[in-house]
Amino acid sequence: AQTVTQSQPEMSVQEAETVTLSCTYDTSESNYYLFWYKQPPSRQMILVIRQEAYKQQNATENRFSVNFQKAAKSFSLKISDSQLGDTAMYFCAFINAGGTSYGKLTFGQGTILTVHP
Amino acid sequence: KAGVTQTPRYLIKTRGQQVTLSCSPISGHRSVSWYQQTPGQGLQFLFEYFSETQRNKGNFPGRFSGRQFSNSRSEMNVSTLELGDSALYLCASSLLPGQGNTIYFGEGSWLTVV
Repeated sequence: AQTVTQSQPEMSVQEAETVTLSCTYDTSESNYYLFWYKQPPSRQMILVIRQEAYKQQNATENRFSVNFQKAAKSFSLKISDSQLGDTAMYFCAFINAGGTSYGKLTFGQGTILTVHP
Repeated sequence: KAGVTQTPRYLIKTRGQQVTLSCSPISGHRSVSWYQQTPGQGLQFLFEYFSETQRNKGNFPGRFSGRQFSNSRSEMNVSTLELGDSALYLCASSLLPGQGNTIYFGEGSWLTVV
């Protein structure tokens, strides 16, 4: 069974600073996709960044980047120049590339990030 | 391009009643999946539909069911509601299922069972 673990229930950071959120996962598959989603107080689940497991290059989206370590099954999210609008719950998620995964994302427990002015 | 649209956004039901939630995917998306989010259990996968067929199902009792129409719109139904069914129900859509296509979520339907 696939599992996703986020070991940091809560994190805080000062505006303009950098913060890293941790995520580890477990799977026996070799081809899969990893995501970070952000859920602000409105509860809308917003995609932050996506990583294909077969790509060695770490994904980057503006101020957001990941450190993908496939052998260690680690997928951390780095937020640079933190902004007040980054305050949200962040979820790490995983999906197999094929087989019978059909739309089934497996989520971690989430990390509440608070950005302080 | 409109996002994933869920209706109703908020509803209150009584134990024993049944409820139907609706989801319209992003235009062109053919895969629709449903998730339940609660403080205790987190985000749990309910089921996924593609071309009007249920392709995958999570570990939920038979009271939870769904369907997909030819226009890819989907509904989920919960019968004989229990207090524990109170949750945020999230619908998501993607172009194709299980191929790593990005999955986009709606704003959710808040269900309170009293």
